[in-house]
Amino acid sequence: NAGVTQTPKFRILKIGQSMTLQCAQDMNHNYMYWYRQDPGMGLKLIYYSVGAGITDKGEVPNGYNVSRSTTEDFPLRLELAAPSQTSVYFCASRPNSNQPQHFGDGTRLSIL
Amino acid sequence: KQEVTQIPAALSVPEGENLVLNCSFTDSAIYNLQWFRQDPGKGLTSLLLIQSSQREQTSGRLNASLDKSSGRSTLYIAASQPGDSATYLCAVRPSLQGAQKLVFGQGTRLTINP
Repeated sequence: NAGVTQTPKFRILKIGQSMTLQCAQDMNHNYMYWYRQDPGMGLKLIYYSVGAGITDKGEVPNGYNVSRSTTEDFPLRLELAAPSQTSVYFCASRPNSNQPQHFGDGTRLSIL
Repeated sequence: KQEVTQIPAALSVPEGENLVLNCSFTDSAIYNLQWFRQDPGKGLTSLLLIQSSQREQTSGRLNASLDKSSGRSTLYIAASQPGDSATYLCAVRPSLQGAQKLVFGQGTRLTINP
C-alpha cells in the first residue's frame, strides 16, 4: 500500500517557468489537499478537493491551479514560477471528515 | 481568524523523561484537533486525532488532551526515547460549515538526548 505518492521529490525552476507537481493516492480517499510549508512556519492550504471534478481554493491559492479528473490524482500546476513559490509542497488525503489526513513526503521546490 | 500557537519552539530533554508539548488556539469553535510528527525531509505522520466532543486520546506512550473552552491541547510523551526526536505539529479544523482546511501551529522541535 503506497499511500500518498508525490513526484518529483526535488526540483529547481527558473523564474517564469511552469511545472506540475504530481500527487497520487491509492486509498480511494475522497478528500485531497495541497499545502505549502515555508521554513519555520506551519503548513498553509493552497487548494483542496472533496471528490473527482470538485476543487476549491484554500488560504494561499494565487499562482497555482489544480484539477481532479480522477479520485486517485490531484496535480498542482505552477504557471509562472516566482521566487515566492520556493517552498516544500505537501499533498494529503483522507477518506471522510472524521478521519486523519495522510501526507506524502513532499516536493522541495526552488525558484531561482 | 483562528490562530494556533505552539510553545516552546524547541525542546531538548534527556532520554527517559516524561514531557509535555503545548498547543493553544484562539477560537474554540473547532471540529477536531490533530497532532502530527514530522521527521526531517519527510511528510507529516498523524499521531492522534481528538474530536471536539472528546477530552483525550491515547496511543501507546502518547496521550493528547483537549480543553476547548480554554483553547488548549497538550501532547504527553511518556518515557521519551531518542527515536521520539522530531518536530511535533498540532492542527485544528474549524467547525465553520464547509471548512476543509486545517490551521497549523509552527511546531515544536523535540530532541531526546541519549
